Amino acid sequence: DVKVTQSSRYLVKRTGEKVFLECVQDMDHENMFWYRQDPGLGLRLIYFSYDVKMKEKGDIPEGYSVSREKKERFSLILESASTNQTSMYLCASSPHRTIEQYFGPGTRLTVT
Amino acid sequence: SQQGEEDPQALSIQEGENATMNCSYKTSINNLQWYRQNSGRGLVHLILIRSNEREKHSGRLRVTLDTSKKSSSLLITASRAADTASYFCATVKAAGNKLTFGGGTRVLVKP
Repeated sequence: DVKVTQSSRYLVKRTGEKVFLECVQDMDHENMFWYRQDPGLGLRLIYFSYDVKMKEKGDIPEGYSVSREKKERFSLILESASTNQTSMYLCASSPHRTIEQYFGPGTRLTVT
Repeated sequence: SQQGEEDPQALSIQEGENATMNCSYKTSINNLQWYRQNSGRGLVHLILIRSNEREKHSGRLRVTLDTSKKSSSLLITASRAADTASYFCATVKAAGNKLTFGGGTRVLVKP
């Protein structure tokens, strides 16, 4: 069975902290994605990666960076967390970037 | 801006009834996908319809695509309480390389 896991379900951080969100997939997928989800706005793409060490900016990359050192792991980094980054963060993977994506359970991040 | 916009934003029906939700988009697409999200969880892929297809079925789900109107509909027949969830459409633009999601339709199926 396809599986995408995220390191935390809930996370509370303080303004200015550096935050790491980890995502691991076990399907040998080339493509991995980070989205944030806010009420009424749907999912918005932050960054995606189509290969190890490769990344592309999505629609809202400001304030975020990513790292993909191994094929199965894709990390989202908030360099200096701010309250407007309080959100649900969803990771996904896919064998191709334009077909079905497999999502993790999400991390609800609160920045205080 | 969102490529896909769902309508209605929320829907409440009785178990056994059909639920229909619509998705409109702005530019030509390669494909359109529907996803379900149970409360506070990740999304689950339901169905993908390509731009040259008009209708697809999967179990109790029926998806139609009208490229001339730039719209799609998702029909859930004989709904169950377990169908209570948010449903999202996502589009891939004709020359695009990523999904763009709409804001979702919240469906409540009352037992």
